[in-house]
Amino acid sequence: AQSVTQLGSHVSVSEGALVLLRCNYSSSVPPYLFWYVQYPNQGLQLLLKYTSAATLVKGINGFEAEFKKSETSFHLTKPSAHMSDAAEYFCAVSDQVGGFQKLVFGTGTRLLVSP
Amino acid sequence: KAGVTQTPRYLIKTRGQQVTLSCSPISGHRSVSWYQQTPGQGLQFLFEYFSETQRNKGNFPGRFSGRQFSNSRSEMNVSTLELGDSALYLCASSSRPTGQGAGEQYFGPGTRLTVT
Repeated sequence: AQSVTQLGSHVSVSEGALVLLRCNYSSSVPPYLFWYVQYPNQGLQLLLKYTSAATLVKGINGFEAEFKKSETSFHLTKPSAHMSDAAEYFCAVSDQVGGFQKLVFGTGTRLLVSP
Repeated sequence: KAGVTQTPRYLIKTRGQQVTLSCSPISGHRSVSWYQQTPGQGLQFLFEYFSETQRNKGNFPGRFSGRQFSNSRSEMNVSTLELGDSALYLCASSSRPTGQGAGEQYFGPGTRLTVT
């Protein structure tokens, strides 16, 4: 079964600083990878997805992620953090089980942004 | 286009009771997936329905069940509630079943279930 590992349950940055949220996947074949964001008391919103078309994927709200096969990584970045970016971020991989695919989520990283 | 809606948003039940949660997907979406989110276990896949058929099921006991109607609306039922069932239950819809590639999933706001 495929899985993703998110390093760091909490990441703190100052407003305007670079955001880097780490995600590593375990897969022997090119996976489908996703980043979702969850604001308090809300469901998850898709930020971006990798489906092998391009290694650098741009998403909404200025976020982007780079697929690096050699490092089995799919880290999420944003050049300049805003206060509104404070939320929980989940990396996910599409796993095939019994002929069907389902999303397997990482444990999440809470991003804290200070003024 | 309206998003995924879930009702109710909050629910308090006592142990041993049963509960039914409802999910209305985005218009035109025929795939509905359910997830349980808890602080300890994170996000865990419950099951997926497509065209009224359960296509995929996670590792949950038989107390957790679901169904999908012809209009794609879905319900999930938990019988004989336990304290550990307290969680945020999220529903997600997709225009195609996830088995046909990395279909994007659109999540509802969730139903927060508290079991006392």
